[in-house]
Amino acid sequence: AQKITQTQPGMFVQEKEAVTLDCTYDTSDPSYGLFWYKQPSSGEMIFLIYQGSYDQQNATEGRYSLNFQKARKSANLVISASQLGDSAMYFCAMLNTNAGKSTFGDGTTLTVKP
Amino acid sequence: DGGITQSPKYLFRKEGQNVTLSCEQNLNHDAMYWYRQDPGQGLRLIYYSQIVNDFQKGDIAEGYSVSREKKESFPLTVTSAQKNPTAFYLCASSRGFGQAGYSNQPQHFGDGTRLSIL
Repeated sequence: AQKITQTQPGMFVQEKEAVTLDCTYDTSDPSYGLFWYKQPSSGEMIFLIYQGSYDQQNATEGRYSLNFQKARKSANLVISASQLGDSAMYFCAMLNTNAGKSTFGDGTTLTVKP
Repeated sequence: DGGITQSPKYLFRKEGQNVTLSCEQNLNHDAMYWYRQDPGQGLRLIYYSQIVNDFQKGDIAEGYSVSREKKESFPLTVTSAQKNPTAFYLCASSRGFGQAGYSNQPQHFGDGTRLSIL
């Protein structure tokens, strides 16, 4: 069985500062993908960043970077220079290569303070 | 523009009634997914499909049914057996097989359907 754990129900960050959202995962599949999505209060899901299990380097996309530590089974999202528009719920997710099955964490609500 | 269309945006169900949520995509994606989201919670997988005429149960399939007769369509029926159907339902699709199988394909989501009990 695969599982995603996000231990921070809520996080606060000051505008323009960096913030790290934690994600740990568990799977017996050697090949998998890890994703982060953003869900604003309007409800839509926005893809942010992807990390493959065999990728040697940490993924980066603009202000988003993924701190991937395979041995520790963690895939933390780092948002640099936080903006007010970053306030939203953030989900870590894993996709199993063989079965095509996806699993989401319970999410972290990020609030950016002006 | 390509995307995923879910309809209706709001749906009300009477006791003992089946209702069907529509999900259509024009992204030419092979894989499609249905999720349920309760307030303040994460997404839970109901059903997923990798190809036409094939689908698998997710983690909370009881009380739900799906069909995949066309590549672009993946409707979800919430049956009367689902005793607590009030939730936000999200449909997603992805390309399916990539260089590393499924693992490098992000999911594209529709805007969701909010289902409530009358």
